[in-house]
Amino acid sequence: ETGVTQTPRHLVMGMTNKKSLKCEQHLGHNAMYWYKQSAKKPLELMFVYNFKEQTENNSVPSRFSPECPNSSHLFLHLHTLQPEDSALYLCASSQVAETTYEQYFGPGTRLTVT
Amino acid sequence: GQNIDQPTEMTATEGAIVQINCTYQTSGFNGLFWYQQHAGEAPTFLSYNVLDGLEEKGRFSSFLSRSKGYSYLLLKELQMKDSASYLCAVRDSNYQLIWGAGTKLIIKP
Repeated sequence: ETGVTQTPRHLVMGMTNKKSLKCEQHLGHNAMYWYKQSAKKPLELMFVYNFKEQTENNSVPSRFSPECPNSSHLFLHLHTLQPEDSALYLCASSQVAETTYEQYFGPGTRLTVT
Repeated sequence: GQNIDQPTEMTATEGAIVQINCTYQTSGFNGLFWYQQHAGEAPTFLSYNVLDGLEEKGRFSSFLSRSKGYSYLLLKELQMKDSASYLCAVRDSNYQLIWGAGTKLIIKP
């Protein structure tokens, strides 16, 4: 595997379900990010981890819970979501956060909340 | 507030040239990025500008004017595979990335 991978690619869940999204980067980077991408809207940064420490939480509702066990893996735990949470969830990584390094993105998980 | 503006959609012809504009108002500036995103795929890095002027990379070029808060991405010799969304993003003074909503480019034969 190369680059940034995400699983699953598609997920349909009910509002009472609990699920997790997984991201793995094979680039030796130290920073990882979760973004939400909705149609015709800018990418919304949700969480940032730098050297496994969470450095950013952009007022994300508590029904989204991130976990970063090491610099290569990032999870997003989901519970009691709302239909408006349906979107493409993108994971990204970079050498270090809060620098000029570009970010490398995974293909995303298309989430539908019913 | 911080804001990035770019056209929602553009159409161009195969073999032609197209310019996608991006204007920004941010708290400070630490570089501007362009990404390409094909439908259903990951955004991929195209270019980075931090100084004024033109950066050329094959068929793609990116221009920056910091005094005007303005950038453009120039695509030459358009190919059908260039049909994608193009995202403009600016790093502010805190090195946070501020994203535009993207420009969907449609290439017609």
